[in-house]
Amino acid sequence: GALVYQYPRRTICKSGTSMRMECQAVGFQATSVAWYRQSPQKTFELIALSTVNSAIKYEQNFTQEKFPISHPNLSFSSMTVLNAYLEDRGLYLCGARDWGSEQYFGPGTRLTVL
Amino acid sequence: QQKVQQSPESLIVPEGGMASLNCTFSDRNSQYFWWYRQHSGEGPKALMSIFSNGDKKEGRFTAHLNKASLHVSLHIKDSQPSDSALYFCAVSKSGGSNAKLTFGKGTKLSVKS
Repeated sequence: GALVYQYPRRTICKSGTSMRMECQAVGFQATSVAWYRQSPQKTFELIALSTVNSAIKYEQNFTQEKFPISHPNLSFSSMTVLNAYLEDRGLYLCGARDWGSEQYFGPGTRLTVL
Repeated sequence: QQKVQQSPESLIVPEGGMASLNCTFSDRNSQYFWWYRQHSGEGPKALMSIFSNGDKKEGRFTAHLNKASLHVSLHIKDSQPSDSALYFCAVSKSGGSNAKLTFGKGTKLSVKS
């Protein structure tokens, strides 16, 4: 079956520091990977959509300078939160899909900023 | 820009009852619609998809799509306590892997035994 793993599941960082999170797709080809942030109110915010062999598209209010993403192959993606502050806390979800498939989500990386 | 709105925000139904969740979207070019379910502490999982107008039934779950009315709904028959979760409607304009999925804010379903 199709599975998406995310590492770490939880992380705590000090305000102003950075942290990297990873996403791995197993059982299918992740031709696209979308990174979302889910707020404590459970709302989804799309951060960026990365499609292999295409430029990464960032949504309004999110930039490559703040959330650099790497999507080097069809099974792996990573995203870094640079200079994290309180407003960056939340559950970061990776959703990966192949052409025509549903988006498979990982369990998320919960970021706490102190 | 696509707007997806879900109602109600929260819903309580008795065990064995029918739960009805609604979703409206703003872009008439929308073609693909999914319902996702998220249990506490987990990532969302796709429950079912619907691409054509009308009803689609999978077990206890029935999705209904009316593109002209910009409306999609999910009905859960014989609701079980294990159905208690957050339900999200997701909409996209194409089925390609580079298509952007826009999510609603979710409906919190609680099934009481």
